[in-house]
Amino acid sequence: AQKVTQAQTEISVVEKEDVTLDCVYETRDTTYYLFWYKQPPSGELVFLIRRNSFDEQNEISGRYSWNFQKSTSSFNFTITASQVVDSAVYFCALSEAQSGSEKLVFGKGMKLTVNP
Amino acid sequence: DSGVTQTPKHLITATGQRVTLRCSPRSGDLSVYWYQQSLDQGLQFLIQYYNGEERAKGNILERFSAQQFPDLHSELNLSSLELGDSALYFCASSGGGSWGYEQYFGPGTRLTVT
Repeated sequence: AQKVTQAQTEISVVEKEDVTLDCVYETRDTTYYLFWYKQPPSGELVFLIRRNSFDEQNEISGRYSWNFQKSTSSFNFTITASQVVDSAVYFCALSEAQSGSEKLVFGKGMKLTVNP
Repeated sequence: DSGVTQTPKHLITATGQRVTLRCSPRSGDLSVYWYQQSLDQGLQFLIQYYNGEERAKGNILERFSAQQFPDLHSELNLSSLELGDSALYFCASSGGGSWGYEQYFGPGTRLTVT
């Protein structure tokens, strides 16, 4: 069965600190996609990144970086030099090829508060 | 702006009533998904339509139904509403029905059942 675990429920940091959001997934499928979404206080869900199971290269986009490790079934997200605008709930999600659907299975989310 | 529109933004209704939530996908997207976000259940997949046909069902109650119309907009119908149905309902869309594409979410409809 597919499952996504975000063990941290809430983190509070001071602006300019680096913060890493953990995501651990479970799947029996060898072909899958992993995603991160951001939900700011306004409520919408914003797509951040997609990574397929065959591509373990880390990715960097500005202050955001992602570390995908199949050996530990983890897809962690780091924000460098955090800013107040990064305050949001962040969701990790999984989509399996064998599920017959492109549905996303989400973790419970992690609330990040960046204080000035 | 994701390009996915949802109406209404807020809905307040009483138990036992029926409501319809509407979603218009991004231009060109053939797949529409419905998700429910509640405090106790988190974000849960409800149902997916692809080009007018139901493609997958998730944790959708029998009191709930959906459809996708020829112009690709979708409606989620919730009936015999209960207090526990109060939640944020998201619609998302993705292109082509091919697996692995990112889904773009609408702003959501916040349903409050009193």
